[in-house]
Amino acid sequence: RKEVEQDPGPFNVPEGATVAFNCTYSNSASQSFFWYRQDCRKEPKLLMSVYSSGNEDGRFTAQLNRASQYISLLIRDSKLSDSATYLCVVGDSSASKIIFGSGTRLSIRP
Amino acid sequence: NAGVTQTPKFQVLKTGQSMTLQCAQDMNHNSMYWYRQDPGMGLRLIYYSASEGTTDKGEVPNGYNVSRLNKREFSLRLESAAPSQTSVYFCASFQELKETQYFGPGTRLLVL
Repeated sequence: RKEVEQDPGPFNVPEGATVAFNCTYSNSASQSFFWYRQDCRKEPKLLMSVYSSGNEDGRFTAQLNRASQYISLLIRDSKLSDSATYLCVVGDSSASKIIFGSGTRLSIRP
Repeated sequence: NAGVTQTPKFQVLKTGQSMTLQCAQDMNHNSMYWYRQDPGMGLRLIYYSASEGTTDKGEVPNGYNVSRLNKREFSLRLESAAPSQTSVYFCASFQELKETQYFGPGTRLLVL
């Protein structure tokens, strides 16, 4: 079993739709959680950190469920520019071990 | 600030050749990482360095060596390249305050 698992997609949704991704992790001692975005042939970039209480950044909402060991990302009112691969990332407290999921590919159509 | 820089951007090697991938960061970060990314596999950690002078193995260290000679630079060496090492290699550094990794633009390596 992979340490961090994501549905690879692709998710193909119309502009304006709401889309949600889930990610599960196996290490219950994990301390830090993130969503990164990666555009085609580019490096990953931080989209947002995920906090226990849940957090929102504009159209993006991230949730953490420690009991079930999953993280979610919700994108509302999706834009064409949201098309990318979204990587779920889990780390330990020292940042010495940061594990990336394989990514979920999202394609927004006009 | 240039952030994280990597050289070269592209490289073609023959099996058995050696090369060193260079990475530098100008953000004064302590931790640095080398990943490889393959289709359907996501990013896999090769080696990381928590501070200058220290290195530790990640998930897929075999066939690679690293060197962290100073705080800025973290290099990855392939002593005898194999076709299985064809991949995109990313270097990253970590900002502890924001708990954020910053990535370089990547090196695309093809081993024939």
